Amino acid sequence: EAGVAQSPRYKIIEKRQSVAFWCNPISGHATLYWYQQILGQGPKLLIQFQNNGVVDDSQLPKDRFSAERLKGVDSTLKIQPAKLEDSAVYLCASSLRESDTQYFGPGTRLTVL
Amino acid sequence: AQSVTQLGSHVSVSEGALVLLRCNYSSSVPPYLFWYVQYPNQGLQLLLKYTSAATLVKGINGFEAEFKKSETSFHLTKPSAHMSDAAEYFCARSGGTSYGKLTFGQGTILTVHP
Repeated sequence: EAGVAQSPRYKIIEKRQSVAFWCNPISGHATLYWYQQILGQGPKLLIQFQNNGVVDDSQLPKDRFSAERLKGVDSTLKIQPAKLEDSAVYLCASSLRESDTQYFGPGTRLTVL
Repeated sequence: AQSVTQLGSHVSVSEGALVLLRCNYSSSVPPYLFWYVQYPNQGLQLLLKYTSAATLVKGINGFEAEFKKSETSFHLTKPSAHMSDAAEYFCARSGGTSYGKLTFGQGTILTVHP
């Protein structure tokens, strides 16, 4: 069974630029999560989707971050404009249902200069 | 607020020695609890999970953890460390009765010396 796929693996941008990350969850998984992991910290949930609907985006900085999950499969996370403090690893995870174990992708490491 | 605290950001052991990584949670209701491992440049891999069944949970790679409600703890142990165990370990909890909305501790980096 293929795991959670993410791209790109690495991205370097200048502050005030825009960036987008892509996630393809495990086939059939209805629930998808985006986490932000700042160096030296544990992952922090940004947004949770159930199929193509948002379940929880209370920790998403909505003035600059946006996410969508069209057709309930792939998802994109966008930052516009980026700030220095957005430098982090962005992890995508999926689960069959909200009540099931989450499986994580390899992450996208973002560096904002 | 629901939180997870991992005691010790770095733990160093010799190969063959006992591994003990500490985790405490705050909650008025026992949550679901998890240990994940993260190898460099990789995502998180589930080691084991507690879901209110047996208090002693066995996971992959010889790891186990014991849920102690009286101490609000969920410490991770392995009797004999292997070089391949060197990684960062995260304790996490879910909110209430759902696996979703994980709250993670800050992580513990395990170093294994030959």
